[in-house]
Amino acid sequence: GAGVSQTPSNKVTEKGKYVELRCDPISGHTALYWYRQSLGQGPEFLIYFQGTGAADDSGLPNDRFFAVRPEGSVSTLKIQRTERGDSAVYLCASSLLAGGRGNEQFFGPGTRLTVL
Amino acid sequence: EDKVVQSPLSLVVHEGDTVTLNCSYEVTNFRSLLWYKQEKKAPTFLFMLTSSGIEKKSGRLSSILDKKELFSILNITATQTGDSAIYLCAVENQGGKLIFGQGTELSVKP
Repeated sequence: GAGVSQTPSNKVTEKGKYVELRCDPISGHTALYWYRQSLGQGPEFLIYFQGTGAADDSGLPNDRFFAVRPEGSVSTLKIQRTERGDSAVYLCASSLLAGGRGNEQFFGPGTRLTVL
Repeated sequence: EDKVVQSPLSLVVHEGDTVTLNCSYEVTNFRSLLWYKQEKKAPTFLFMLTSSGIEKKSGRLSSILDKKELFSILNITATQTGDSAIYLCAVENQGGKLIFGQGTELSVKP
């Protein structure tokens, strides 16, 4: 497809379980970003990748959160031992370039995570 | 700490009205300011502003940035029900990271 895609669109899990959220960026985009959006709030930065490496992971809330992008395209956000406070919409975005060159970030539809 | 503040948080108008949405920011290493429209899940890009005083226009929407006073406004003229959405302001720093405001929820009544 032409845009950023994310799977699953919805995920319901129980407290303490492990989840993986997937993001397929726009083909050719080198930068990939993860954000988390709680109800009534703007998206909150989590991590961004330039190629395969995490260029800035300062937004990850704790060590239960981890993300990878092994081949510089698809990325997976992994959450261990989920807590109810992790419930949110997880948004992924990609841009052609990064590093402050002012390139527009295109967002995917998000994954709504609900932790019961 | 970097922050972006939007006002008002919510707004209800009638079709045909003109609205002005506000965004102020305190961000170190400013690179650009962006406006997005969010209707269901994915924010969609509206404008990117990097220079003060230059208005960007797209149809009934326009936006301007004031880098001295650290704010931007988004104007929508002749509003339509399809303009109902959450409007997000974000500031990009030199590292490429976006810092978002909490959004303004606009509701346009017929």
